[in-house]
Amino acid sequence: EVQLVQSGAEVKKPGESLKISCKGSGYSFTTYWIGWVRQMPGKGLEWMGIIYPGDSDTRYSPSFQGQVTISADKSISTAYLQWSSLKASDTAMYYCARRPTFGSKGDYLDYWGQGTLVTVSS
Amino acid sequence: QSALTQPASVSGSPGQSITISCTGTSSDVGSYNLVSWYQQHPGKAPKLMIYEGSNRPSGVSNRFSGSKSGNTASLTISGLQAEDEADYYCRSYTSSSTDVFGTGTKVTVL
Repeated sequence: EVQLVQSGAEVKKPGESLKISCKGSGYSFTTYWIGWVRQMPGKGLEWMGIIYPGDSDTRYSPSFQGQVTISADKSISTAYLQWSSLKASDTAMYYCARRPTFGSKGDYLDYWGQGTLVTVSS
Repeated sequence: QSALTQPASVSGSPGQSITISCTGTSSDVGSYNLVSWYQQHPGKAPKLMIYEGSNRPSGVSNRFSGSKSGNTASLTISGLQAEDEADYYCRSYTSSSTDVFGTGTKVTVL
């Protein structure tokens, strides 16, 4: 069974750093892309970026380039999303999702993690 | 990259059919057959309902169907049921090698 299990909810202060995780199981982690999606409270879905764990090829949305870092450790089938200095506006639910391909047939988000709620407040 | 345009809300009575539109540009929806649709119930993760414009993943009801014409993709739900009440988002690959989601549509079953 394919599963993406994300790390638990976080409460942080502005300026702090954070790294959340997404562990894949039940499939070959290195042959599928993993994407990250933000959902701010009461708002819609926003694409942040993706990574191909097989070779760490990473692409970012222009809106998030330089604001976050996406990485992966294929030895433990885990992808990460990290911030070096959080802002209150980073308060949101963050989802990871599996993606068979990027920009060609098979390009869709077929399995999703349960979400990680990040709250940034002083 | 601007979000794809969806109606904020669509409603229908049980058993009726509704259609949600998703309007983009020639740089996204119009250029690629890579539109997918996602259903999201409150407090839950999104779920893939349609991919590559009109394909249904295994396990998704055949009451859900997708199509595309020009720069606009559409999701149709036929035989509307109470469990279909949720938010729906379209998504497309773009010529900038990025993704763009739709603004989201709240479906209400009257």
